This record gives sequence, structure tokens and C-alpha cells, in this order.
Amino acid sequence: ETGVTQTPRHLVMGMTNKKSLKCEQHLGHNAMYWYKQSAKKPLELMFVYNFKEQTENNSVPSRFSPECPNSSHLFLHLHTLQPEDSALYLCASSQGVMNTGELFFGEGSRLTVL
Amino acid sequence: QKEVEQNSGPLSVPEGAIASLNCTYSDRGSQSFFWYRQYSGKSPELIMFIYSNGDKEDGRFTAQLNKASQYVSLLIRDSQPSDSATYLCAVMTDTGRRALTFGSGTRLQVQP
Repeated sequence: ETGVTQTPRHLVMGMTNKKSLKCEQHLGHNAMYWYKQSAKKPLELMFVYNFKEQTENNSVPSRFSPECPNSSHLFLHLHTLQPEDSALYLCASSQGVMNTGELFFGEGSRLTVL
Repeated sequence: QKEVEQNSGPLSVPEGAIASLNCTYSDRGSQSFFWYRQYSGKSPELIMFIYSNGDKEDGRFTAQLNKASQYVSLLIRDSQPSDSATYLCAVMTDTGRRALTFGSGTRLQVQP
């Protein structure tokens, strides 16, 4: 069991749907992240939040909309996605933004866009 | 040009052998280097980090760093089938943007 939980674990959606991914960390960390993992590609950093303030948006299309209501919860709202957005979306947390380089990842949400 | 480059593998080694995983990086300003292990269907977990040139040992794992050559490696001694996983190299630059840049990973298969 990890200290970072993500729901749902699997999601299938059409291009016109609106859905959300949820992440919750139980580690008392201050920073939370969304990463995208596609087959044969490196992990791509999408968003960084520090004390629930967004500190980085890595040129992510506006069809991905993050929300961080507090330091323990992170959401990724999805709308009008494209098939190429199908991937594993990983949430992570850390004690401070990259103080040590140790990220604690959730199990991921596998997204399929039809 | 890829910022962090790894051979995708699979790297296949027999049980008990030494597995050698390699990584090169392009940013000379990189200061911190990390190895994450990701089992199939699971999330990545940190197993080693190294900041200084040379070797760093932790149990069966040894991380090696050569900043002049922009090269970092992970050696796994006495490889076990349970070591079969994808190993992700990650690099952090301490100037400006503090974020981890990951390689695409090397898949290791340890044959019993």
C-alpha cells in the first residue's frame, strides 16, 4: 500500500466526456504533482503544486485542468480529450518541492480515450 | 535530443549475475541523480540517489556517477528474479526549475 491513493484506477471516456481524476496523499507532504506516463516514453511532468499553489504548468493543453483544494488532495479535470491523451496518469507527492528528489507515487489512473 | 537517455532493453541476466543499467544526460548543470524502480503495473519507487562523482553502495545496489562524461549507472549484484522491473533514471538540475527529468527506463529481466 502506498501513502498516495488515486481513483479511479481505470477510466474509459469519449472525446466529448468530462471526467476527473482524484489523488489523495496521507504522508503529510506539501507538494503534489501530476505526471503522464505513455508507453516507451519518459515520465512527463504536467503540474506541480506547493502548499496548494500551482508552481508549474509544463505547457499542458487546457483540456487538462488541475485543482488542488488543500495539500492532501489533487484533482485533474479532463474534458474534450484526444485519443493521444490515453496514458497512465501518475500523482506524486514530496516533502517540499524537489528538496530531496524523492517522489512518492500513487498507483496511477489508466486513461483510455476513444 | 533526449535529455535523459536509457536503453529500453530488455536487459536479460541470469540469476546471481551483475546487472548493469546505464543512463546518460545532456544537461551539464545537473546535480542530483536518482534511480527509480517500477514493477509492471505498479508505480515507481526510489531506490538510490547519488550527488557526487564516484560510487555509492546500498546493499546489492551500487550507483556510479561520472559528471565529466555525463553518465550515471546502477549495478545490481547477485540479481534476483524479484529485481525484474523497469528502472528509471532521473536527473535534477539545481538551477532555476527544480524538477525531475526522467529517462524512458530500462526493462530488466532476471532469469531464474
